[in-house]
Amino acid sequence: IQMTQSPSSLSASVGDRVTITCRASQSISTYLNWYQQKQGKAPDLLIYAATDLQNGVPPRFSGSGSGTDFTLTISSLQPEDFATYYCQQTYRTTEITFGQGTRLEIK
Amino acid sequence: QVQLQESGPGLAKPSETLSLICTVSGGSISSYYWSWIRQSPGKGLEWIGNIYYTGDTNYNPSFKTRVTISVDMSKNQFSLKLNSVSAADTAIYYCARVYHPWSGQIAFDFWGQGILVTVSS
Repeated sequence: IQMTQSPSSLSASVGDRVTITCRASQSISTYLNWYQQKQGKAPDLLIYAATDLQNGVPPRFSGSGSGTDFTLTISSLQPEDFATYYCQQTYRTTEITFGQGTRLEIK
Repeated sequence: QVQLQESGPGLAKPSETLSLICTVSGGSISSYYWSWIRQSPGKGLEWIGNIYYTGDTNYNPSFKTRVTISVDMSKNQFSLKLNSVSAADTAIYYCARVYHPWSGQIAFDFWGQGILVTVSS
């Protein structure tokens, strides 16, 4: 299952509302997770099952979607949110795949 | 708080075997699946495979003929062996815990810091 994220990169300012899209090549129900990765660090789980916030993740992060189209929204960007974001499908647990990433940069 | 730490050689020779260990601390390896993932500039994040504490495994078909993941419960560790490596296997290798919020749903909730493995003669 191929996962395609858009955009590949994005420039935004502190306080902006930002949306990142992930599209699956076939329906994956809600077997979709989002991760945040900062430079030189491992990815951190933000959202699992398309919409559920991982413990400790600020509520400005939210996820939506089902089937093939999903979005990650950051309601009001904070300085610590500038990072790369990845979606991941786990519909087929023997063929787990990630999107190519969306790099969020400061404008 | 669960912590994971990858260890092993940072350099492997072409055609040889890459071997890494992930040590889990702050919690038991039992009752969970554990995973290896790698990240290279050319291919992004790639899932390699999972292992249950009982030893049951799932491998990415792209690696299936070359990979072995095993578990050592006595040491709270699991390991990765990747055979016949080439320059294309140069990557940061991560180990991670597989989180099951409910049946069927999984995610990787705790990750190691990653270890860079370079394949070069």
